[in-house]
Amino acid sequence: DAKTTQPPSMDCAEGRAANLPCNHSTISGNEYVYWYRQIHSQGPQYIIHGLKNNETNEMASLIITEDRKSSTLILPHATLRDTAVYYCIVRDPYANNLFFGTGTRLTVIP
Amino acid sequence: AAGVIQSPRHLIKEKRETATLKCYPIPRHDTVYWYQQGPGQDPQFLISFYEKMQSDKGSIPDRFSAQQFSDYHSELNMSSLELGDSALYFCASSPRDTTISYEQYFGPGTRLTVT
Repeated sequence: DAKTTQPPSMDCAEGRAANLPCNHSTISGNEYVYWYRQIHSQGPQYIIHGLKNNETNEMASLIITEDRKSSTLILPHATLRDTAVYYCIVRDPYANNLFFGTGTRLTVIP
Repeated sequence: AAGVIQSPRHLIKEKRETATLKCYPIPRHDTVYWYQQGPGQDPQFLISFYEKMQSDKGSIPDRFSAQQFSDYHSELNMSSLELGDSALYFCASSPRDTTISYEQYFGPGTRLTVT
């Protein structure tokens, strides 16, 4: 799986959009970008995934650059409950495991 | 909606003892994954099963073994426990067709403490 690079931490004001970047410059053509988050000591939670088109669901939006070398997860209106470690994972859909890198610790501030 | 169930939620064992962790996947999910998360670390993949067969293996110690049963639940057996085995153990499940693995849904975890 391709290596990803994320900032170690970010703050976001409550009610504002949180934009979490991820670099994956060595991504290959069949690899998807997945985002998971882990709220303190809970099981990781799937958020969204995409291949090359932008994706949106009830939790977040995923913007993938045209060259697919980077992406941004957008939480449109961050709440205190969104405070968590966010993991960007690049993965071959045929692979079984998820490789959790360091992730970004997002703190939503009241 | 039904989620992944793990039991027990907390387990305390002494060094050299054995432990068995159980995982009940979401209904109609036939693939199970096990992850270990040490204190202050990120989750690490241990092993996975698809249709009761081991499908992939990560950094699982030889002292650990796992299996998936006919009802798709899975058990992680850990022997000769060491202090370093103290960690959160997560189970995840996903549906799968014959080739593609979909997003994984995680359980709440079992916190194992080895004293």
